[in-house]
Amino acid sequence: DQQVKQNSPSLSVQEGRISILNCDYTNSMFDYFLWYKKYPAEGPTFLISISSIKDKNEDGRFTVFLNKSAKHLSLHIVPSQPGDSAVYFCAATSMDSNYQLIWGAGTKLIIKP
Amino acid sequence: KAGVTQTPRYLIKTRGQQVTLSCSPISGHRSVSWYQQTPGQGLQFLFEYFSETQRNKGNFPGRFSGRQFSNSRSEMNVSTLELGDSALYLCASSFHRAGTEAFFGQGTRLTVV
Repeated sequence: DQQVKQNSPSLSVQEGRISILNCDYTNSMFDYFLWYKKYPAEGPTFLISISSIKDKNEDGRFTVFLNKSAKHLSLHIVPSQPGDSAVYFCAATSMDSNYQLIWGAGTKLIIKP
Repeated sequence: KAGVTQTPRYLIKTRGQQVTLSCSPISGHRSVSWYQQTPGQGLQFLFEYFSETQRNKGNFPGRFSGRQFSNSRSEMNVSTLELGDSALYLCASSFHRAGTEAFFGQGTRLTVV
């Protein structure tokens, strides 16, 4: 039972344009969401997070939007840069899951020059 | 500040053998979590240790075990290796508990032949 789903295995975006990565979840008890970025042969690195009491969190070029009613969150990267090419993982957690991070399968983002 | 260190980086074992992987968390971090990543899969949670106690466990067979020492360093052991255990094993450390921003090591790439 996949509680966190990233339905797009890959996404290709032109440099300078907006990249939008999507994530859906099924467990309404999730109250904290995180995005991680992973380069090949490296561990994931934390990118940005959002609490369920907010609907938007912004950090530089990265913005995460949370739609609780739709159980959907998205990561916007503007403008996209070649260094953004990586696999992006969405993760969710809650007190209900003893704060265990539940991960999506990842979306590979390719930024075309 | 040193990051999360995992050793070894690469390992080749044969079926039936056992293996021990090591993780040194960021200084001051008391939570250490272990994940398995296989191609096309998100990160599958193995277990979390906090102050030498296993606080959370994923859905893996008993062949997978771990422990944490008083200095927060952690080891993961897999006994009776199977071909399907070939994966990237990632360790993550957090200050308080898993589910907050976690810092990952580069992983140990285990190949079972």
